[in-house]
Amino acid sequence: AQSVTQPDIHITVSEGASLELRCNYSYGATPYLFWYVQSPGQGLQLLLKYFSGDTLVQGIKGFEAEFKRSQSSFNLRKPSVHWSDAAEYFCAVGATGGSYIPTFGRGTSLIVHP
Amino acid sequence: DAGVTQSPTHLIKTRGQHVTLRCSPISGHKSVSWYQQVLGQGPQFIFQYYEKEERGRGNFPDRFSARQFPNYSSELNVNALLLGDSALYLCASSLVDIYEQYFGPGTRLTVT
Repeated sequence: AQSVTQPDIHITVSEGASLELRCNYSYGATPYLFWYVQSPGQGLQLLLKYFSGDTLVQGIKGFEAEFKRSQSSFNLRKPSVHWSDAAEYFCAVGATGGSYIPTFGRGTSLIVHP
Repeated sequence: DAGVTQSPTHLIKTRGQHVTLRCSPISGHKSVSWYQQVLGQGPQFIFQYYEKEERGRGNFPDRFSARQFPNYSSELNVNALLLGDSALYLCASSLVDIYEQYFGPGTRLTVT
């Protein structure tokens, strides 16, 4: 069965600093990988996705993520954080064959200090 | 363009009652999925419907059911509510499969 681990429940960064949110997955083959962001009172918004090909994926809002098969990781990065990036971030994994049933991590809460 | 809409926004029910949650997908989207998000956790997949047929089901009891209508809107029904059903219920729509979903704001269900 597939699973996702986001080891950091909370991350605090200063505005303008760089950011890396960790995500580790468990799946027998190459999975589909996703990062979503959820602001308070909002639904989830897709930041970026990886299906195949280039392992460095560019997303919206200046985010990027790198798929590392050897480490079973798909970490999210941003070079300079803005106060508006404060939100909950979820990593998700999906099976690549048959019915796609996504599995989400428990999320990482990003706090941005001015 | 309107995004995914869900109703109601908030709902309070008593244990043992029944609840119906509604979702309208983005115009042109034929797939609707439902998720349960318990406080402090990530969303958990409940159902996916495409062209009015169930395409996927998560690990939820039979008290949970759903359907999709000819206009692609959807209802999620939960019978015999338990305290543990208190959660944010999210609906997401996509053109066909779930690879690029658009989420609604959710319905906050509180069971007392």
